[in-house]
Amino acid sequence: DADVTQTPRNRITKTGKRIMLECSQTKGHDRMYWYRQDPGLGLRLIYYSFDVKDINKGEISDGYSVSRQAQAKFSLSLESAIPNQTALYFCATSASREGNTGELFFGEGSRLTVL
Amino acid sequence: GNSVTQMEGPVTLSEEAFLTINCTYTATGYPSLFWYVQYPGEGLQLLLKATKADDKGSNKGFEATYRKETTSFHLEKGSVQVSDSAVYFCALTPNTNAGKSTFGDGTTLTVKP
Repeated sequence: DADVTQTPRNRITKTGKRIMLECSQTKGHDRMYWYRQDPGLGLRLIYYSFDVKDINKGEISDGYSVSRQAQAKFSLSLESAIPNQTALYFCATSASREGNTGELFFGEGSRLTVL
Repeated sequence: GNSVTQMEGPVTLSEEAFLTINCTYTATGYPSLFWYVQYPGEGLQLLLKATKADDKGSNKGFEATYRKETTSFHLEKGSVQVSDSAVYFCALTPNTNAGKSTFGDGTTLTVKP
């Protein structure tokens, strides 16, 4: 089983619908992230959480919200989806223990299409 | 702020050709540097990393050297294979406990037989 699991892997929805992408991890890491990937734009950070009570906006948080339900679970919500939120979404984790280099561990991605 | 600039793609090579993908960065202090690879239909995975100046990261025949004086971390492989076809991302993480990673835009490599 994957260490970082995202659900759903693929989703097609309509404009205005509420969508939730879920991420769970078995790596025991305290830090979790949501990224968005668009062709030619690399990865852009949406939200990140350094522990259960810590939530921070990334560079493109508008239109998104997150919830850190437990150390192992971090979900991303689109309250009212719009077509330009069509993208590939990645959840990632990292550890904050001393000596950590900041390496990220990624899920396999959730492809979202908003019609 | 921090930034990563990597060579634009796509890059198309024949099997056994030499590969270089350039990456330069802007950051304060001494960040850790990474190359991640994304194979078709998969998430990103770490290819190699270097945590201090002059360190060389290597894996699967790929190498990159942390050059502080030129703020670069170029990816090289002496002889590419079809199975190396993927998207390659250069990234940095500040060397503090509060750091977040910054990614380049990615370079798509296609290797033809």
